[in-house]
Amino acid sequence: DAGITQSPRHKVTETGTPVTLRCHQTENHRYMYWYRQDPGHGLRLIHYSYGVKDTDKGEVSDGYSVSRSKTEDFLLTLESATSSQTSVYFCAISESGGGASGYTFGSGTRLTVV
Amino acid sequence: GQQVMQIPQYQHVQEGEDFTTYCNSSTTLSNIQWYKQRPGGHPVFLIQLVKSGEVKKQKRLTFQFGEAKKNSSLHITATQTTDVGTYFCAGRTKNNDMRFGAGTRLTVKP
Repeated sequence: DAGITQSPRHKVTETGTPVTLRCHQTENHRYMYWYRQDPGHGLRLIHYSYGVKDTDKGEVSDGYSVSRSKTEDFLLTLESATSSQTSVYFCAISESGGGASGYTFGSGTRLTVV
Repeated sequence: GQQVMQIPQYQHVQEGEDFTTYCNSSTTLSNIQWYKQRPGGHPVFLIQLVKSGEVKKQKRLTFQFGEAKKNSSLHITATQTTDVGTYFCAGRTKNNDMRFGAGTRLTVKP
């Protein structure tokens, strides 16, 4: 969807290095989310944001941090990447929080930690 | 842990056959959403159901929300090759968490 972009689309990094993924939206939605997708697990919430500088943890937040300094940008940081963090990461936005409205997902970032 | 279970995990059908995927929750849901993800793509929102017993249709797709708001189904009539992908349900729990099912991967043989 044109209103949300993720970068990079693909990344290979070494164990122990920091990695930052970026999500940018042009919809001016208040709510933004980071999910990871792994086979057999569906989509699992890492962190979410309900406004500038307002963030909270999801169900799989260990090893990840986030920041939101502007409405349009939501950054996900892996402070010290591990092989277990190899995954596809999706950013999503919504008009309403808590699943009251549908989510629009970005195209995803495929991250490989070697 | 995952509170929304989705079955089957995989479904392979001949083009023209019907397809159904089921979503079950151990707790009552406020709403349920359905998404489709094409191979190599990202999830795309299809629909949201809110009311007990609600049924909605989108062309060949029929979505149902159970009377107890603990289960839901997506039925596709006369599948086409364009229906290929993974279908996810996502349930909104009472504390406003969205829980995704693991998805049902549909393949269609022409």
